[in-house]
Amino acid sequence: GNSVTQMEGPVTLSEEAFLTINCTYTATGYPSLFWYVQYPGEGLQLLLKATKADDKGSNKGFEATYRKETTSFHLEKGSVQVSDSAVYFCALSDIGFKTIFGAGTRLFVKA
Amino acid sequence: DTEVTQTPKHLVMGMTNKKSLKCEQHMGHRAMYWYKQKAKKPPELMFVYSYEKLSINESVPSRFSPECPNSSLLNLHLHALQPEDSALYLCASSQVGSISPLHFGNGTRLTVT
Repeated sequence: GNSVTQMEGPVTLSEEAFLTINCTYTATGYPSLFWYVQYPGEGLQLLLKATKADDKGSNKGFEATYRKETTSFHLEKGSVQVSDSAVYFCALSDIGFKTIFGAGTRLFVKA
Repeated sequence: DTEVTQTPKHLVMGMTNKKSLKCEQHMGHRAMYWYKQKAKKPPELMFVYSYEKLSINESVPSRFSPECPNSSLLNLHLHALQPEDSALYLCASSQVGSISPLHFGNGTRLTVT
């Protein structure tokens, strides 16, 4: 079956540091891949998405590239801010209504 | 501002109470979802409605009863809950017919005493 594995947290960075959160997946079909972000006290929000191999999703300075050869969708940001502190979920969705979420990675950014 | 609105934001109920959670969206989405999220965990799918018909029930106990009165509204009726049902309950919506992202509300924080 389909699955998503993302790096354990928490990740603690200083402001303006480079961020990478690793995500790998297993899938039998041709899924779309997503990163969702959850700020304290809120629901999940779509951060970015990619629908096919080699697509790059980007939003608010965050980027992730759909790599079929390594079955990965790593999240990166060149310079994090305190306001980026949140929980980040990598997710996979195929035909049908089920989205598979990774365990989530909590990010703390210190001023 | 979130386009999926959930009420109430917080709910405390006893194990013998009956209560309902409500969700509304006006994005024209025809799929609506209930998820349960425990602390420090990802959301777990409970129910999916497609075109107002129940499409998926992830073997959820019958003390949780979903209802989709129309294409914009989704309810979750709660009865005889257990303390372990305390969690954040998230509503989401999406388009149907293609792989579409989920649009979540901010959830109802439920505490069962």
